Amino acid sequence: DIQMTQSPSTLSASVGDRVTITCRASQSISTWLAWYQQKPGKAPKVLIYDVSSLESGVPSRFSGSGSGTEFTLTISSLQPDDSATYYCQQYDTYSTFGQGTKLEI
Amino acid sequence: EVQLVESGGGLVQPGGSLRLSCAASGFSFSGYWMHWVRQAPGKGLVWVSRINNDGRSTLYADSVKGRFTISRDNAKNTLYLQMNSLRAEDTAVYYCARAGGCSNAGACWFDPWGQGTLVTVSS
Repeated sequence: DIQMTQSPSTLSASVGDRVTITCRASQSISTWLAWYQQKPGKAPKVLIYDVSSLESGVPSRFSGSGSGTEFTLTISSLQPDDSATYYCQQYDTYSTFGQGTKLEI
Repeated sequence: EVQLVESGGGLVQPGGSLRLSCAASGFSFSGYWMHWVRQAPGKGLVWVSRINNDGRSTLYADSVKGRFTISRDNAKNTLYLQMNSLRAEDTAVYYCARAGGCSNAGACWFDPWGQGTLVTVSS
């Protein structure tokens, strides 16, 4: 199974900050990577797929990059509404998620 | 509006069975692969199972293989998950999700997700 490791596990930042979340795969997953945002009591919502494709309706302050085994989600200017847990997901083989990064603002 | 609504969750004893349903609306259900993903309380997301659009091809996580069965009724726009021999570790919110796009190997990202239904396995 492909393991996905996110860092950090928790992150505290301020409105307007630029933050980066990293996701590492235990083996190459090419560009088969998505990022999700989940707020308490709600279903996850996709932000980015295929490493860097922004889902329709998602603010442009969210961006993704990387390839192979190392990937990043960047939020360019944090907004209060961005407080949530973020998950990466590989869909190269089966599907596995990272353990999540809780972002506190 | 694309919508997925799960139902059928509840409290069940270890060894028991439960069938979850996911009613789809707002899109051509028969044109999409569908998935179940679960999330134990306070934990992360775990993919459970997927079914192709005509229901002839299914795939399961090792943790549920042989105990869970995914199926669909395209005439009713409904996805199902039959869960047998339930264990305490199956306790989770179960989400149905539509495949957004898939890799060459047939694994997919998910969009949208339903609101989830809670399954609690406890005596």
